[in-house]
Amino acid sequence: KAGVTQTPRYLIKTRGQQVTLSCSPISGHRSVSWYQQTPGQGLQFLFEYFSETQRNKGNFPGRFSGRQFSNSRSEMNVSTLELGDSALYLCASTLGSGNKGTEAFFGQGTRLTVV
Amino acid sequence: GDSVTQMEGPVTLSEEAFLTINCTYTATGYPSLFWYVQYPGEGLQLLLKATKADDKGSNKGFEATYRKETTSFHLEKGSVQVSDSAVYFCALSDYQGAQKLVFGQGTRLTINP
Repeated sequence: KAGVTQTPRYLIKTRGQQVTLSCSPISGHRSVSWYQQTPGQGLQFLFEYFSETQRNKGNFPGRFSGRQFSNSRSEMNVSTLELGDSALYLCASTLGSGNKGTEAFFGQGTRLTVV
Repeated sequence: GDSVTQMEGPVTLSEEAFLTINCTYTATGYPSLFWYVQYPGEGLQLLLKATKADDKGSNKGFEATYRKETTSFHLEKGSVQVSDSAVYFCALSDYQGAQKLVFGQGTRLTINP
């Protein structure tokens, strides 16, 4: 069974540009969540999508957005990049039942560097 | 809001030593609790979980017990190995109907042979 796939693994962008990251969940999983990991702030929840609808959102500016397609694949977009957006972006998938005890399966992440 | 506090790292131990990583939480509801582990260059993997008070999660020799009275979920292992070197994250989920994890800051563990 294939795991969660994130592409690309590494990205270098210039301040002011925009970027799109992709996440393919485990087959059959309908929920995709995104997290930002930085040395200073740790792991922070960005948003969650279930059946193409955003179900929950963290405290990030509107420059961070996402979407989910009918095949459950998800993309997140960051516009007008800032140096502080440099981070490891992790995607997690679950079946999507909303049960708080459900295990989340994480991808290896996309390392974004903004210069 | 909900939060998780982990003992500060890094933690360095010798092989076969006893390990404890402390974790306490604050939640408005009745959360599920998790320990995730991150190996270098990898995403997070679930190590163990507990969904109600007094439940003990266990996996690969690691254990943690859900203590509602002390709002804690400390991770323990009786004899650590070099291969246990990683970053450990305590997390909670308190959002029925949605998938959202709140993580602690992480504890970097290094085991020396």
